[in-house]
Amino acid sequence: SQQGEEDPQALSIQEGENATMNCSYKTSINNLQWYRQNSGRGLVHLILIRSNEREKHSGRLRVTLDTSKKSSSLLITASRAADTASYFCALDSGAGSYQLTFGKGTKLSVIP
Amino acid sequence: DTEVTQTPKHLVMGMTNKKSLKCEQHMGHRAMYWYKQKAKKPPELMFVYSYEKLSINESVPSRFSPECPNSSLLNLHLHALQPEDSALYLCASSQARGRETQYFGPGTRLLVL
Repeated sequence: SQQGEEDPQALSIQEGENATMNCSYKTSINNLQWYRQNSGRGLVHLILIRSNEREKHSGRLRVTLDTSKKSSSLLITASRAADTASYFCALDSGAGSYQLTFGKGTKLSVIP
Repeated sequence: DTEVTQTPKHLVMGMTNKKSLKCEQHMGHRAMYWYKQKAKKPPELMFVYSYEKLSINESVPSRFSPECPNSSLLNLHLHALQPEDSALYLCASSQARGRETQYFGPGTRLLVL
């Protein structure tokens, strides 16, 4: 199973700014998911985007998927201190694997 | 109820101890997962149960032994662990195996001395 590569590894922004994280992968996917993890805690699902979708929104979150470039981005608008967390993309590569493989994550720090 | 619960929250054990981690969900999900997460690393899949049958075992050492007594419960039995097994152990569930949103518990922080 493949692993997504996330970029940047760490991101520090001021409250109110937008944060963009990217995830690239190598082979075809069935869907791509984004999760958030606060320090030392469980993961929280944010958005699932399927391979035939290009963009999805949820509140202040916007996810795009470009299957030709094999990449996805997560945009958090008007960031808040509470958005400070690690963000992971997770790939469902299909092909009967029926499992998610998590990328290495982006650690986001939002400074009040 | 979209909650996955895990007990205990913290566990310290010696290398000769036997302990168990417990996970429970009441969302009617038929797939449950154990992940291991080391500090500053992504979660790594250990086991997948689908309809109470072990369907994926990612070459995990036999000192980790999963058990799924019913569709709501998942246990991880630990025996003769090594210090390098110290990590956050996460349980998750989903409606079906793979391709679905996974709901995670808060994890058990394990320290092996």
